[in-house]
Amino acid sequence: EVQVLESGGALIQPGGSLRLSCAASGFTLNNYAMNWIRQAPGKGLEWVSTLGSSGSDTYYGDSVKGRFTISRDSSRTTLYLQMNSLRAEDTAVYYCVTDARGYPDQWGQGTLVTVSS
Amino acid sequence: EIVLTQSPATLSLSPGERATLSCRASQSVSTYLAWFQQKSGQAPRLLIYGASNRATGIPARFSGSGSGTDFTLTISSLEPEDSAIYYCQQRSNWPRVTFGQGTRLEIK
Repeated sequence: EVQVLESGGALIQPGGSLRLSCAASGFTLNNYAMNWIRQAPGKGLEWVSTLGSSGSDTYYGDSVKGRFTISRDSSRTTLYLQMNSLRAEDTAVYYCVTDARGYPDQWGQGTLVTVSS
Repeated sequence: EIVLTQSPATLSLSPGERATLSCRASQSVSTYLAWFQQKSGQAPRLLIYGASNRATGIPARFSGSGSGTDFTLTISSLEPEDSAIYYCQQRSNWPRVTFGQGTRLEIK
């Protein structure tokens, strides 16, 4: 069974850095493109970043480009999101999501990032 | 950016009734549209992809239709557990996918 599990969310001060992790089970990351999608408290869904199945193609939303970096480990079982220069508007639940035919398919339970002083 | 506009914002219906949710795109997305259900405190779940294809394990009472700019999610006979927020999503310019703002469905 394909499952993903996020971790690493925390309370962090503006300007700080944080790395989120997503552990894959039931598959390896080279089988799928992978997404990070976030949801601010009480708000809708926003695409953040995608890593292609090859591991070399990376894509970012305009609001995070230049600040966030998506990557995976060499064992192809963990996806990461390195977040730098964090802002209050980055406060959200961050979901790790597999990509199937271009659609977000299997979602984790999410990890909460709160940016506040 | 392709903007998706969902209507109505809130829908309140009784069990057994039929629900019709709409999603309109700011430009054609062909049939590259999906629907998601998000229950309170849970992650979204994929219901429909390719405008009309049910995802694995989704009950037959959920159906999708449309192409181009106008799409509909229909729930043929509401169950109490269908209470949720429903989002549409386009993948026409993957990976820069966008979501609608959501329709809240309340079951009386």
